[in-house]
Amino acid sequence: DGGITQSPKYLFRKEGQNVTLSCEQNLNHDAMYWYRQDPGQGLRLIYYSQIVNDFQKGDIAEGYSVSREKKESFPLTVTSAQKNPTAFYLCASRSPQGSPGANVLTFGAGSRLTVL
Amino acid sequence: DQQVKQNSPSLSVQEGRISILNCDYTNSMFDYFLWYKKYPAEGPTFLISISSIKDKNEDGRFTVFLNKSAKHLSLHIVPSQPGDSAVYFCAASVGANNLFFGTGTRLTVIP
Repeated sequence: DGGITQSPKYLFRKEGQNVTLSCEQNLNHDAMYWYRQDPGQGLRLIYYSQIVNDFQKGDIAEGYSVSREKKESFPLTVTSAQKNPTAFYLCASRSPQGSPGANVLTFGAGSRLTVL
Repeated sequence: DQQVKQNSPSLSVQEGRISILNCDYTNSMFDYFLWYKKYPAEGPTFLISISSIKDKNEDGRFTVFLNKSAKHLSLHIVPSQPGDSAVYFCAASVGANNLFFGTGTRLTVIP
């Protein structure tokens, strides 16, 4: 079955440590996204990538970094510069423009990061 | 500035009754609107969508209504079932550009 796999599902980090969240998709989608969800807030866009080796900052990119070396993979690194990293992180992808469902994001199951 | 707003953080409905979830937006350029359903500790799943050229789209128990003049859309679930209890997010986009999400409404369907 095609889908998006995020790992780990739960992650604990000490203050000052960087941590990388994995996102892999086998949907053959070009565009991939990272969102953050906090209680009482909507999904806020961190970074997105429309194509391999290219990515753009979203609304809350500070303290985060990404790479897109392969079409299938879009890892997110939460750096020590992120002041409030405890949150639920969601990765998503979207089918190519012009294809059926091009406006619909498909999400992974999410990763919950807790900073101790 | 929040371009998509869901002003009701929660809603409780009796099983079998209609659930109406509301969403307002400010950007008149939005031309595609979606509803997502989310269970705790899971990713959102796509529920239903509507293009700005329509004012209604129906899929089984779920109907989305769009009122462009009021910049308002709503999701109707009828009849509501306990399994519908979840957080519902509305989202909007201009073409195939990035989606803007509302803050979500937690629906509780009481058996």
